[in-house]
Parts: sequence; structure tokens; C-alpha cells
Amino acid sequence: DTEVTQTPKHLVMGMTNKKSLKCEQHMGHRAMYWYKQKAKKPPELMFVYSYEKLSINESVPSRFSPECPNSSLLNLHLHALQPEDSALYLCASSQEGRTPSRTTEAFFGQGTRLTVV
Amino acid sequence: AQSVTQLDSHVSVSEGTPVLLRCNYSSSYSPSLFWYVQHPNKGLQLLLKYTSAATLVKGINGFEAEFKKSETSFHLTKPSAHMSDAAEYFCVGSGNTDKLIFGTGTRLQVFP
Repeated sequence: DTEVTQTPKHLVMGMTNKKSLKCEQHMGHRAMYWYKQKAKKPPELMFVYSYEKLSINESVPSRFSPECPNSSLLNLHLHALQPEDSALYLCASSQEGRTPSRTTEAFFGQGTRLTVV
Repeated sequence: AQSVTQLDSHVSVSEGTPVLLRCNYSSSYSPSLFWYVQHPNKGLQLLLKYTSAATLVKGINGFEAEFKKSETSFHLTKPSAHMSDAAEYFCVGSGNTDKLIFGTGTRLQVFP
């Protein structure tokens, strides 16, 4: 199983709403990522969890709150978003690859298309 | 890789003709390099990866790439384009951190 599953596929939310994006993988990967992708741009890293601990936060606004309940699940909690936060949100996972000689590829989910109105 | 540069933002080919998507990298150590493809409103799918085992890497759907250290390049090629190859392609580098380094992407158009 080389699949990363994201739900929901589409989400429309108002600026006062609270919603969550979910991501799941069963490949035994110990690193999980959230990326934000705007149209015609490469994905931008938001957060990295390594061994269920937050290892990288790319100065993301606090209206985005990540959570890693266990090694297979990753959530992104959304609150008081702005219209400019509308984007494709991608989850990815990879084997823990901190040694220079062993860095493995990331597997991406299909993404959640988020629209903030 | 510490930086990845995709030299073309847009490439157009006719169906059945060769595809060349260009990528250069810079790195102070031996990098891992990947090519991903993204169809509209979809996630990224790994086409192939280079991790120092062999300089010519074969991937899925007939794509391959050659790592050339002397030219710091990792260009993606395919002998014969298919309509279904039309998509966005990202060259991606990785090193000794958890971060992937993305190129800016190349949009491939395939004309009948």
C-alpha cells in the first residue's frame, strides 16, 4: 500500500468557521508533511512531523494548527481563515531520512481543494 | 540539493515526438533528486528518483533521467510523448533534512 489518503477532497468554509483536514498513511512512514499549493506554483512546505513530533513550522499563521495523533494520522485544524488561504492542501509522508546517504522520496495524497468565502 | 532550477516554465511537443524537461541543481553534498508529475487538481506522483546508485534512472510511463554531476543536471526525457503526458512536472531535491526543495515546475503541453 503506497497510498496517502486525504479527506475531504473539497471544502468550502466561511471565515468564521472551524474545520479540519485529515491525512492517513499505512506505509510505516515516520515523517509526515503539510504543503500548501497555489495555482501554477510549486507546493510550499507548512509543517513537518518526524516521529510524531513537530520538527518544522515554516512560520505558518496560527490560524493553521497541525496535529499528529499517531504515526499514521495527520490533521490540519483551520480557524478564522482568510480568502487568500484558498489553495490545494497536500499531505505527504516519507521514511525518516535524516542521514545524507539515505533520503527517500515523499508520497503525496490527492489533496484537499479549500475555498474560503 | 540546496537549490533546484527548472530551465523551462513551458514546453510544447507533438504527440509521438521526444520530450526533454530540463533541471539543474546545486548542492554541497551528494543530493537525492526526484521528478514528480501533477495532473490538474491532483496530488504529485513520483516518476523516478536518483539516490546515487545509478546515473541513468528509469521511471514509470517510459520516462527516464540522467544524473550528470559535471553539468549539475538531472534532465527528464521520454522518447515519444503521449497525450496523457500533458501535466505539470516538478524537479525536486532532497538532502540531509526533512525538507524537499522544489523547482518552479514545467508545464508540458502535448499537441495531437
